[in-house]
Amino acid sequence: QVQLVESGGGVVQPGRSLRLSCVASGFTFSDYGMKWVRQAPGKGLEFVAVIAFDGSLKYYGDSVEGRFTISRDNSKNTLYLQMNNLSGEDTAIYYCTKERLPRASPDCDSWGQGVLVSVSS
Amino acid sequence: IQMTQSPSSLSASIGDRVTITCRASQDIGIALAWYQQKPGKAPGLLISTASNLHSGVPSRFSGSGSGTDFTLTITSLQSEDFATYHCQQAKSFPWTFGQGTKVEIK
Repeated sequence: QVQLVESGGGVVQPGRSLRLSCVASGFTFSDYGMKWVRQAPGKGLEFVAVIAFDGSLKYYGDSVEGRFTISRDNSKNTLYLQMNNLSGEDTAIYYCTKERLPRASPDCDSWGQGVLVSVSS
Repeated sequence: IQMTQSPSSLSASIGDRVTITCRASQDIGIALAWYQQKPGKAPGLLISTASNLHSGVPSRFSGSGSGTDFTLTITSLQSEDFATYHCQQAKSFPWTFGQGTKVEIK
C-alpha cells in the first residue's frame, strides 16, 4: 500500500532554514504529482506547494512564494521542501500528499503522517 | 477562490443524518473534494469530483452539488465518523480548503 513518510521537522529560530523530506513507497512515484499541505495549530488546511510528476512544473502558495522550494528525486522516491527565512506563521504540521490521478490531479488520495515545524526564538 | 463551510461545528448522535455544506466564492463546476480528519491524524480523501466516493469509503457518505454549493451527507452517523471534515476546491490554483466542520458527539 501507499506509504509517505516525512522527516526533517523540529524547532527552529525565526529567519533560519529547514528541509523536509518525504520518502514514498507502494506506488510508481515518478508517475504522480506531489504536494505539501500544512495545518497550523487548531487551524484549517493550507496548500503550500506542488510539483509535477517529472519536476517540470512547480507552484507555491502566496504565503511561501519566494521562501520555500519544492523538489523531487524520482530515483530515490523522495519529495523535498526547502524552507528558508522561516517565521512564526510557518509553525504547522506539514503533510506530504500524493495526487489522486497520474500526471496531474488537484486532489490527494494519500497523506503522510505529518511532521511538525515549530518556529520560535 | 474562497471556500466557506457551515456549520463550523455540530453535535449529533449515533444514527443521525448529518449534512455539511461548502460554498465556493465562484463557480467551480464539480471540482470539489471532501476529506475526513480524526484528532491527531492526517486527513483522508472521502469524495472527489463532488460526488465520487473514494475507494473503501462507506456508502453512508455521499456528496452532491455543483457550481458554488456543495453538500456532504452522512446518512446514519457511526462512532468512527466523529471527526473534522474539510472541503477543497480543485478548480484552479491555488487549491483552497474550507475552514473545516467538526462533528462531535451529542
